[in-house]
Amino acid sequence: TQLLEQSPQFLSIQEGENLTVYCNSSSVFSSLQWYRQEPGEGPVLLVTVVTGGEVKKLKRLTFQFGDARKDSSLHITAAQPGDTGLYLCAGERQGAQKLVFGQGTRLTINP
Amino acid sequence: KAGVTQTPRYLIKTRGQQVTLSCSPISGHRSVSWYQQTPGQGLQFLFEYFSETQRNKGNFPGRFSGRQFSNSRSEMNVSTLELGDSALYLCASRGTVAGTYEQYFGPGTRLTVT
Repeated sequence: TQLLEQSPQFLSIQEGENLTVYCNSSSVFSSLQWYRQEPGEGPVLLVTVVTGGEVKKLKRLTFQFGDARKDSSLHITAAQPGDTGLYLCAGERQGAQKLVFGQGTRLTINP
Repeated sequence: KAGVTQTPRYLIKTRGQQVTLSCSPISGHRSVSWYQQTPGQGLQFLFEYFSETQRNKGNFPGRFSGRQFSNSRSEMNVSTLELGDSALYLCASRGTVAGTYEQYFGPGTRLTVT
C-alpha cells in the first residue's frame, strides 16, 4: 500500500490547457515537497509546504497543502511543453526523519 | 552553493561484479539518502546516513550497503550484481531551511548490468 497516492499516474494534454495533480494520504505530514524530474536526471525540488491550507505559487504552478496536512495539489495554468516531466510528491511525517514518495505523475504537454 | 554531485554518471557492469557509487552532499548537509529508481518500481528508498551512522533502511537485500565519511560524503556498494539491479541510483542530501528539512537530489548514476 502506497502511503502517498498520486493521481493521475499519467496525463497527456495540449499546450495551453490547465491541469491538476493530486497527492493524497490518510497520514498527517509535517511538510510536503513537490519535485519535477526529467528523463535521466535527478528530481528537482519545486516547493515545500508546511502549514495546513498553505498556497504557494511558482510562476504558472500553484501548490496547495490541505487544511489537515494529509493531501496536496499541484495546479498548472496554461501548460507548456517545458512542463513535461515526472512530478513527485514527498511527505515527512512528524518525527519520522524520512521522506515518503508518491509513485509519481508522468505529465506530457503536446505542442 | 554547489549541489549534490554523484560519480560516475554512467556505469556498465557484468552480472556477478560489484560496484561502488559516490555522492557528495551539499556543503553543510549531514544527511545523505540513497534511492533506486526503475520504470516498473518507481523511486525506492535504500538507506539514509546521518553523521556517519545509518539512520534508516529500506527493504533491499544485504548486497546493497553504504557508508558515510566524516566529511558527509557517502558511498553505496552493490555486490554480486544482478540484471535487475539496472536502474538510476539517486543520492539526496537533506538540510534545514527556515526550520524545515528539504531534500535535494543529485543527477544520479545510471547503472546497466549486462
